[in-house]
Amino acid sequence: DTAVSQTPKYLVTQMGNDKSIKCEQNLGHDTMYWYKQDSKKFLKIMFSYNNKELIINETVPNRFSPKSPDKAHLNLHINSLELGDSAVYFCASSQRAGRADTQYFGPGTRLTVL
Amino acid sequence: EDQVTQSPEALRLQEGESSSLNCSYTVSGLRGLFWYRQDPGKGPEFLFTLYSAGEEKEKERLKATLTKKESFLHITAPKPEDSATYLCAVQAQGGSEKLVFGKGTKLTVNP
Repeated sequence: DTAVSQTPKYLVTQMGNDKSIKCEQNLGHDTMYWYKQDSKKFLKIMFSYNNKELIINETVPNRFSPKSPDKAHLNLHINSLELGDSAVYFCASSQRAGRADTQYFGPGTRLTVL
Repeated sequence: EDQVTQSPEALRLQEGESSSLNCSYTVSGLRGLFWYRQDPGKGPEFLFTLYSAGEEKEKERLKATLTKKESFLHITAPKPEDSATYLCAVQAQGGSEKLVFGKGTKLTVNP
């Protein structure tokens, strides 16, 4: 009964490739997020969707494109991967926008670009 | 710009030795302050939300407090299983849902 799940757990790929990370939540939440945690463990917001609508886009390169097919899923597609994209990517969800609702995080996807 | 600073970066305690972690923040109107625990190789695990100065919350050996400029996470008689990185984050008023995180405090509790 995992609340927020991500696949894959680990992703190792070559520079220039395109890859996707999938996220699903079974909490019935309306809002989902992508965060990036760099090598110094600093966690920073990338995107947020509320009911399939993009509400936060934090100056992320346009090689990164989130896609939300429904409110339970938020996928992250990355084109032309670069060395600097290596990090741990976390998906999160919260009940609704506009309130200090708790954000629940997935287990993370460790992306390594060689 | 909203900012969160946590101190110390790392803290080593003996089992049973109580201490506090600090989270200083600057935000243009606080909607909520959050504490999370992160174990190696895992996602952040929610601990507490504090909404206004003077508020306190407790869970087992942990107690979180909030003032207008900072929050403290007090750990009473810690055990080795409390070893983790503790993350503080703020959410500002004004429509953005994002959490702004500090860099965390890595706590090690030795038996």
